[in-house]
Amino acid sequence: QKEVEQNSGPLSVPEGAIASLNCTYSDRGSQSFFWYRQYSGKSPELIMFIYSNGDKEDGRFTAQLNKASQYVSLLIRDSQPSDSATYLCAVNMNVGIQGAQKLVFGQGTRLTINP
Amino acid sequence: EAGVTQSPTHLIKTRGQQATLRCSPISGHTSVYWYQQALGLGLQFLLWYDEGEERNRGNFPPRFSGRQFPNYSSELNVNALELEDSALYLCASSLGQETNTEAFFGQGTRLTVV
Repeated sequence: QKEVEQNSGPLSVPEGAIASLNCTYSDRGSQSFFWYRQYSGKSPELIMFIYSNGDKEDGRFTAQLNKASQYVSLLIRDSQPSDSATYLCAVNMNVGIQGAQKLVFGQGTRLTINP
Repeated sequence: EAGVTQSPTHLIKTRGQQATLRCSPISGHTSVYWYQQALGLGLQFLLWYDEGEERNRGNFPPRFSGRQFPNYSSELNVNALELEDSALYLCASSLGQETNTEAFFGQGTRLTVV
């Protein structure tokens, strides 16, 4: 099992609709979770982080975390063509050294918003 | 406040040569991560440094190495370059290994091996 798994897509969503991106992770002890957006040829940009179970909203973005199911998701409301990008899920995972964590990325989901 | 800076932006090397890539973290950040992203592929974890020490390395051959300096800047060295080493190399920094904290990326170094 991969440490962080995402559906690679592509995910195609009409403009104005809700885009839903999903991620599962293997380390039950993970405590912090991140969503990055990466435009083609550019470096990843942090858009959301979540540490507690439940929902966290920031503008059009909502991150959802369910630690029992080892599942984290990102919802994008009122999707815009400018949201077309690859979305990377990242999880801080324990590496065995006391308190040490490593940031592990999924392979990313390519999202296309159709006008 | 300056973000994560990487140099050079682009680097062209010949197969068999060595490449050195540099990263300066955000002020106050002690952790530096290096990732390789080949064209069209995901981020592959290379190395993680914190407080001057290598904390973890990914599944890459020993010719990929690096170090972190006392000012927390970092260097990635790739020896005996191969064509398949051509990729975008990304550096990210965060506050530290024991903190729930976000990591921020530099703009990357695009390495081309010919």
